This record gives sequence, C-alpha cells and structure tokens, in this order.
Amino acid sequence: GENVEQHPSTLSVQEGDSAVIKCTYSDSASNYFPWYKQELGKRPQLIIDIRSNVGEKKDQRIAVTLNKTAKHFSLHITETQPEDSAVYFCAASMGFQKLVFGTGTRLLVSP
Amino acid sequence: GAVVSQHPSRVICKSGTSVKIECRSLDFQATTMFWYRQFPKQSLMLMATSNEGSKATYEQGVEKDKFLINHASLTLSTLTVTSAHPEDSSFYICSAESGTSGGLSEQYFGPGTRLTVT
Repeated sequence: GENVEQHPSTLSVQEGDSAVIKCTYSDSASNYFPWYKQELGKRPQLIIDIRSNVGEKKDQRIAVTLNKTAKHFSLHITETQPEDSAVYFCAASMGFQKLVFGTGTRLLVSP
Repeated sequence: GAVVSQHPSRVICKSGTSVKIECRSLDFQATTMFWYRQFPKQSLMLMATSNEGSKATYEQGVEKDKFLINHASLTLSTLTVTSAHPEDSSFYICSAESGTSGGLSEQYFGPGTRLTVT
C-alpha cells in the first residue's frame, strides 16, 4: 500500500521567511496530492492540492511542486505570517481511494 | 459549499458504555465517507471507509465489532464505539467525498469529536 513520509517534523521560521515542507510517496499510481493545515483541536483544512498531470501550482503565498519521477512533492509558503503557525499534513491517493497522510509538520512562525 | 458536520463535538463516557458519533454532509451527497482517529500530536489514521448502502471497509488492526459504522444515507454516516475503554479516548474525525473532482479524492472534513473515556 501507499506510504507517505514527511519532513521536517517541526519547522521554526521568522516572520517573512519562507518555509518548505517535503513529502515522498511510494505508490507510483497515486495521482492526487493535497495539503492540509490543522490548528489545534480543529479539523484539517485543505489549503492546496495538485494532480499528477501538473508539476506546480500556486495560490498567492502558497505553492506546491510535484516530481513524479522522484515521487516527492513539496509545500512552499512565502512571506510567512504568525497565523501560518499550525500543523501541516501532506497526503496522497489514487483516484477515489483513501488518502494516506504524512506524519505532519509543526510550523511555528515567530514575529 | 461542501460542509461536513459532526455531532457531538465532545463526549465523555464511562468505561464499558457505547458512544455514537454522527457525520453529515450538509450540502452535497457523499457516496463515500471516511473515519479517522487522531491521537495528540500525531497524524490522522484512517479507521474505515464507509460506502452508502454497503458494509464499511476497515483498515488493518481496526476492530470492526468494536467500531461499528453505518452509512444509511448519502448524507449520514455513524460511528459507534462499543464497550469503550480509556485507550479509545481520541479525536475522531470524519470526512466526506463529494465525488465531483474529476474522479479524484477531494475530501471535506468534519470538525471532529473529542472522546474521553473515564
């Protein structure tokens, strides 16, 4: 089955810096890669996703890149703000199959 | 759009009792719903996949007789934790798949239910 690894587990940056979180997946058939932001005690919120037919997608300060050959994808947050502090999860799935989540990255943005 | 609700948000029960958690898709029909469990500072672990009108598919290591799942309609799935024990205390989150994303798994999460078993 699919296995998703995520690094780093924690990431501390200064406000205004960029943050990068990386994930690798094992199943080459996976074709959907969402990223979720979860604040303490709350539901995961989809912040951006990418399909396997696209190499990069950007939405304002957030971007995701996908390297299908290497089977890894990354989340890039630019100009970080304190409100970006949360736990971020990557996930992978194939079609209407279950999402397999990474282990999460705790991002702390210091003012 | 794509709102998923969960009830209750918090529940405290005594060891040995059963607890039912409801997951509803409010503005769309969900042929598939998923149930996750999340322990503190850990990732979401899929417990089971629930399809309307059929038996749920449980992940390896999840006891189907302990975690009863019913998906009676396209907008409602329930998870019943039977004979709860303190180790069942966790954050339970459901998600629903709208099935409108070109065949890909865009899931919408409920707000979660924090279960505490005393």
